[in-house]
Amino acid sequence: DADVTQTPRNRITKTGKRIMLECSQTKGHDRMYWYRQDPGLGLRLIYYSFDVKDINKGEISDGYSVSRQAQAKFSLSLESAIPNQTALYFCATSDGAGLGYTFGSGTRLTVV
Amino acid sequence: GNSVTQMEGPVTLSEEAFLTINCTYTATGYPSLFWYVQYPGEGLQLLLKATKADDKGSNKGFEATYRKETTSFHLEKGSVQVSDSAVYFCALGAGNNRKLIWGLGTSLAVNP
Repeated sequence: DADVTQTPRNRITKTGKRIMLECSQTKGHDRMYWYRQDPGLGLRLIYYSFDVKDINKGEISDGYSVSRQAQAKFSLSLESAIPNQTALYFCATSDGAGLGYTFGSGTRLTVV
Repeated sequence: GNSVTQMEGPVTLSEEAFLTINCTYTATGYPSLFWYVQYPGEGLQLLLKATKADDKGSNKGFEATYRKETTSFHLEKGSVQVSDSAVYFCALGAGNNRKLIWGLGTSLAVNP
């Protein structure tokens, strides 16, 4: 099994729908992150969490919310999806000890 | 504030050519520096890292040296293969690596 698992891998949804992207990890890391990747824009941080009771906004949090249900689970929600939220979304974890991040395989989200 | 600038792509090389992807940074203090690689359809993977000046990170034939005097962390490989075709991201971690600061990525295509 992958260290960081994202579900679903692909999703097409309609404008205005609520959608949840899920992330679970077996690394035992406290820190978890949600990013979106768009062509030419690199990776942009949406939200991050350093433990279950710690949630922080990233650079592009508008239109998104998160829930840290447990150390191992961190979900991202789009309350009312819009087409410019079409992107590739990545979850990542870190132990904060300078060893880098571990990424999931990504969720490709299309909002029509 | 902290920032990372990496050379724009796409970079196209023939197999066995020498590769350099430039990365420069701006940071206060003594950041850690990372290179990540993203193969088609996958998430990012840590390729190599360096945590202090003059450190050399290496992995899979790739190398990068942390140059504080030029604030650079250029990625090099002496002989690229078709399987090295991917997007490469330079990243900086400061303040206990709470959040990584990312370059925009450089796409590399290696032709046989």
